[in-house]
Amino acid sequence: DVKVTQSSRYLVKRTGEKVFLECVQDMDHENMFWYRQDPGLGLRLIYFSYDVKMKEKGDIPEGYSVSREKKERFSLILESASTNQTSMYLCASTGTGFDTQYFGPGTRLTVL
Amino acid sequence: AQSVAQPEDQVNVAEGNPLTVKCTYSVSGNPYLFWYVQYPNRGLQFLLKYITGDNLVKGSYGFEAEFNKSQTSFHLKKPSALVSDSALYFCAVRDSRDKLVFGAGTILRVKS
Repeated sequence: DVKVTQSSRYLVKRTGEKVFLECVQDMDHENMFWYRQDPGLGLRLIYFSYDVKMKEKGDIPEGYSVSREKKERFSLILESASTNQTSMYLCASTGTGFDTQYFGPGTRLTVL
Repeated sequence: AQSVAQPEDQVNVAEGNPLTVKCTYSVSGNPYLFWYVQYPNRGLQFLLKYITGDNLVKGSYGFEAEFNKSQTSFHLKKPSALVSDSALYFCAVRDSRDKLVFGAGTILRVKS
């Protein structure tokens, strides 16, 4: 069965802290994605990666960075968390072509 | 640029009645369309997709979607709604680089 896991379901951090969100997929997928979800805005793409050590900016990359050292793992980093980064963060992965994107359970991050 | 619109923030139906959740799209080239469902505090689950072929696509949990090229629509349907179908539904279109562009989402409430 397809599996995308995220390191935490709920996370509370303070303003200015460095935050790591990790995502692991077991499907040998080339492509991985980080989204944030906010009410009324749907899902917005932060960063994505088509291969190990490759990364590309999505629609809202400001304040975020990513790391992909291994094919199965894609990390989202908030260098200095701010309150406007309080959100639900969703990771997804997909193979090439018209494959379906599979999502992890999400991490609800609160920045105080 | 690819985009999708979900014109209804919320849809209310009675259990046992047919349901429709609307989606319209704007793409250059052939549209590759998806529907996902999200239950509270969970990640997105894939329901169905249209790549090519038959305009009526059947998916998980008894859902289907009708692709209409002339109306640029991809409405989600189910003949008989269940209370357990209550959730947040997202329509999405795939762009030229395997990324998905999501609509804002529609809350479906099914009342018994």
